Amino acid sequence: SAVISQKPSRDICQRGTSLTIQCQVDSQVTMMFWYRQQPGQSLTLIATANQGSEATYESGFVIDKFPISRPNLTFSTLTVSNMSPEDSSIYLCSARLNTEAFFGQGTRLTVV
Amino acid sequence: GQQLNQSPQSMFIQEGEDVSMNCTSSSIFNTWLWYKQDPGEGPVLLIALYKAGELTSNGRLTAQFGITRKDSFLNISASIPSDVGIYFCAGQTDSNYQLIWGAGTKLIIKP
Repeated sequence: SAVISQKPSRDICQRGTSLTIQCQVDSQVTMMFWYRQQPGQSLTLIATANQGSEATYESGFVIDKFPISRPNLTFSTLTVSNMSPEDSSIYLCSARLNTEAFFGQGTRLTVV
Repeated sequence: GQQLNQSPQSMFIQEGEDVSMNCTSSSIFNTWLWYKQDPGEGPVLLIALYKAGELTSNGRLTAQFGITRKDSFLNISASIPSDVGIYFCAGQTDSNYQLIWGAGTKLIIKP
């Protein structure tokens, strides 16, 4: 299995500002993913972040709003830019090890 | 985006009862994964299934990969208070490493 450390675990941010979420994996992994999850709801994939290539974004998510870095095989960041209250959600990073996906504990973001 | 049909949406059960939930899809999957998510935490992998017909156990949990490859179920025997949480199924095809998620089953144990 993989252990994934995600930080911050929660934050309250002013609208118009940006927040960068960090995700550290204890193993080298090729594929990492960023999800958004409303409380009590299922997971929505934001983008796939593979080391050495540009992140691939899902429909409804764009790089200008959610820039992603993937500098090496154990680390990734997601930035939520120019935040509005609609961005309030839980953001989760995930890493794929063999055929299984493991998750960080999530970042609960509240935009005021 | 695409979702699996997961049911029930929620369950109220007595401690000690057995629990069953399932996911169905119109698409064929090569992998089925079952996760549990506690409040304030990320999903934790419970069971992974890789072959049609496969039946796998993890303690009191048992999951099966449907023979048609379009469904899976998860059973929990003799439920205990720490089983409370939201259970998600997720399916994957070989051609696409992305996971397709169910909407979740919220398990609540009556006091």
